[in-house]
Amino acid sequence: AQKVTQAQTEISVVEKEDVTLDCVYETRDTTYYLFWYKQPPSGELVFLIRRNSFDEQNEISGRYSWNFQKSTSSFNFTITASQVVDSAVYFCALSEGPNDYKLSFGAGTTVTVRA
Amino acid sequence: DAGVIQSPRHEVTEMGQEVTLRCKPISGHDYLFWYRQTMMRGLELLIYFNNNVPIDDSGMPEDRFSAKMPNASFSTLKIQPSEPRDSAVYFCASSLGVVAGVEPLHFGNGTRLTVT
Repeated sequence: AQKVTQAQTEISVVEKEDVTLDCVYETRDTTYYLFWYKQPPSGELVFLIRRNSFDEQNEISGRYSWNFQKSTSSFNFTITASQVVDSAVYFCALSEGPNDYKLSFGAGTTVTVRA
Repeated sequence: DAGVIQSPRHEVTEMGQEVTLRCKPISGHDYLFWYRQTMMRGLELLIYFNNNVPIDDSGMPEDRFSAKMPNASFSTLKIQPSEPRDSAVYFCASSLGVVAGVEPLHFGNGTRLTVT
């Protein structure tokens, strides 16, 4: 069963538009960790954020913000005022349990920002 | 810090040949992971090590795949014999494990393998 679902395969926006990426996860553990990674066209995987299951505070980092809602098992990611450099594939990932070090990744959402 | 270093960046080989992918983790990271990325299956974990010991190899697709970590600064993923369906990008990642919670994985740039 898919543990992380990213239902949006591709999103295309014009520069300066906001874009929200959805991530829904599934776990029976009470302790777990959620991550977002960015994969630009150059191919590397870049870590963006980690959130643990006990911290539901939203987080903002520059133009990036994350909304974690345990009630809906979602960990959504918003890019405000998008830029061409934001064009990439974005992955949501889950680590289950307090000592599970491996990540299960969603299928990814391709974001294309047009100038 | 140099980050996770993988070599080669690209590998093209013929079916039946042996392929060896290499990885140098970040110094001080006790965990090392091998992932494979394909269009069909996305990012999937093949195997991971803790302190050079394989912990979970349930993702290794077949006996043709093997991984070793002879020391804390080096790991290999070997495919013998290679097949066209092994074509993918192979990522190595390392992590501190658990410090203040499960630490993020830091990925190398990947090796793009093409088997013809």
